Amino acid sequence: QKEVEQNSGPLSVPEGAIASLNCTYSDRGSQSFFWYRQYSGKSPELIMSIYSNGDKEDGRFTAQLNKASQYVSLLIRDSQPSDSATYLCAVDTGNNRKLIWGLGTSLAVNP
Amino acid sequence: GAGVSQSPSNKVTEKGKDVELRCDPISGHTALYWYRQSLGQGLEFLIYFQGNSAPDKSGLPSDRFSAERTGGSVSTLTIQRTQQEDSAVYLCASSLSVLDTQYFGPGTRLTVL
Repeated sequence: QKEVEQNSGPLSVPEGAIASLNCTYSDRGSQSFFWYRQYSGKSPELIMSIYSNGDKEDGRFTAQLNKASQYVSLLIRDSQPSDSATYLCAVDTGNNRKLIWGLGTSLAVNP
Repeated sequence: GAGVSQSPSNKVTEKGKDVELRCDPISGHTALYWYRQSLGQGLEFLIYFQGNSAPDKSGLPSDRFSAERTGGSVSTLTIQRTQQEDSAVYLCASSLSVLDTQYFGPGTRLTVL
């Protein structure tokens, strides 16, 4: 069974701090990795995609991928209350190339 | 351009009735996905279509669920003889191809009484 695991949280950080969200996956053949944000009552929206080992930065967001250890993380710098949401990790399944979704980590940024 | 649209936004039905949920993907997107999300839960994959290939139906929870995609564009998810446990938000997403970014519609909230 191919799996994607995330801590459910809630992860609580003060405004201005760095929030670190982690995701592990089971399929060594996975090549595509996505972080989505979902506000309560809304649909998921893409934050970052990453395909190669290392870091990828976009504004306050940095995705980190380590294929050897099979984890992908999302760092949010200078966290804002508006970042409070559930963050979903999605990973392709290699062989059939369908995305598998984690259950999400709830983030609360406190003013 | 226009995003993914879904209709209706809300549907209340009685147990045992059939319902149809519609999804209009972004123009030009060859891949279309249906997910289900119960309150406070993660995304549950139901089915996906990729171009003219046979759909991957591996996530459909029972034979009461079916979906079709006409002309490679609009998709309809049909639930027959609805049960209370079918109550959830049904999300549709589309992408240029199967591993590209998925863009989600606003969802249809289904309530089965």
